[in-house]
Amino acid sequence: DADVTQTPRNRITKTGKRIMLECSQTKGHDRMYWYRQDPGLGLRLIYYSFDVKDINKGEISDGYSVSRQAQAKFSLSLESAIPNQTALYFCATREGSSASTQYFGPGTRLTVL
Amino acid sequence: AQKVTQAQTEISVVEKEDVTLDCVYETRDTTYYLFWYKQPPSGELVFLIRRNSFDEQNEISGRYSWNFQKSTSSFNFTITASQVVDSAVYFCALSTGFQKLVFGTGTRLLVSP
Repeated sequence: DADVTQTPRNRITKTGKRIMLECSQTKGHDRMYWYRQDPGLGLRLIYYSFDVKDINKGEISDGYSVSRQAQAKFSLSLESAIPNQTALYFCATREGSSASTQYFGPGTRLTVL
Repeated sequence: AQKVTQAQTEISVVEKEDVTLDCVYETRDTTYYLFWYKQPPSGELVFLIRRNSFDEQNEISGRYSWNFQKSTSSFNFTITASQVVDSAVYFCALSTGFQKLVFGTGTRLLVSP
């Protein structure tokens, strides 16, 4: 079984709809991250969380919100989706050590019409 | 601020050729970590290697090798005797401790038979 899972894997929605992307991990890591990937731009950080009570904005947090329901779960919400939020979204986790590696989920491809 | 530059947008080679993917980074921190990730056509991000700033030893893993040079702020990745299965987008990334990963924009490698 995968260590980091994301649901759904693909989603098509309409402008103005509320969307939630979910991430779960079995690695026991404290730190969790949400990134989006756009063609030619690499991955950019949306939000990150160092534990259940700690939520931090990344470089492109506008239009997004997150919830850390438990150590193993980190959800990303688009309150009112817009077409330029069409992208590939990745969840990642890592241990607390500064030397640790981030491990990524399989990604969620979101299309906003 | 941290920055990662992958100047090669796309590289095309024929199977069995050697290919080097360039990565140049910028940071003012003395302690940092460099990573390479592979994104095959299926879309997931696969961790390949992590190197910390105190370890300039080159690394070899099978057909893959990495050349880390602090003097030129580069962390280049070479694939020897490329294969079709190496076709993917490769990302170089930088982390300075507990914070986010900063990604380059990626290099798409196309290996033709």
